[in-house]
Amino acid sequence: EPEVTQTPSHQVTQMGQEVILRCVPISNHLYFYWYRQILGQKVEFLVSFYNNEISEKSEIFDDQFSVERPDGSNFTLKIRSTKLEDSAMYFCASNTPGAPYEQYFGPGTRLTVT
Amino acid sequence: GESVGLHLPTLSVQEGDNSIINCAYSNSASDYFIWYKQESGKGPQFIIDIRSNMDKRQGQRVTVLLNKTVKHLSLQIAATQPGDSAVYFCAETFNQAGTALIFGKGTTLSVSS
Repeated sequence: EPEVTQTPSHQVTQMGQEVILRCVPISNHLYFYWYRQILGQKVEFLVSFYNNEISEKSEIFDDQFSVERPDGSNFTLKIRSTKLEDSAMYFCASNTPGAPYEQYFGPGTRLTVT
Repeated sequence: GESVGLHLPTLSVQEGDNSIINCAYSNSASDYFIWYKQESGKGPQFIIDIRSNMDKRQGQRVTVLLNKTVKHLSLQIAATQPGDSAVYFCAETFNQAGTALIFGKGTTLSVSS
């Protein structure tokens, strides 16, 4: 069964550094998402992406964040200058237009900012 | 702000029992209400959805009930198994591709054998 993959599984970085989190969505999916989950809390939406454009973004997704689909398979989330409060699990998800409620999530990248 | 939430943070059941996980929502305009399951160390996994114009939907061993009068959503798991142990999140969204899932806080289901 096809699945969303994410790398790395764990990223440790120092405050102020830039990080890039990588995702490979399911190949025939057209919509891509990033969510984050602070330890023990609910999953929070960051951004959705379609046709090389941001479709929707939350208040969390400020100027420090950016997304890109650099090629036909990868989808990336960049945090320009990490803060301690950016420490969280970051999940990538993807889906097809026909089922907006059914998003397929990757295993996540645990980002630790020290 | 948060529009979807859960009543209880934890639920412990015996193997074979039926489990009921509850959720209250506040956005009546949502088109879909969904349940996701998150096992330890994994991303959320879709379980079942229900459209806002329905009040019940059944899947394999799971049933979702939607009560729009009191803005309440529940997930019933029949004959709960140890493999059902996970955190369960309710979520809501609109019927538009690329729209965010808005998650509530999770309920941790622990199944003992």
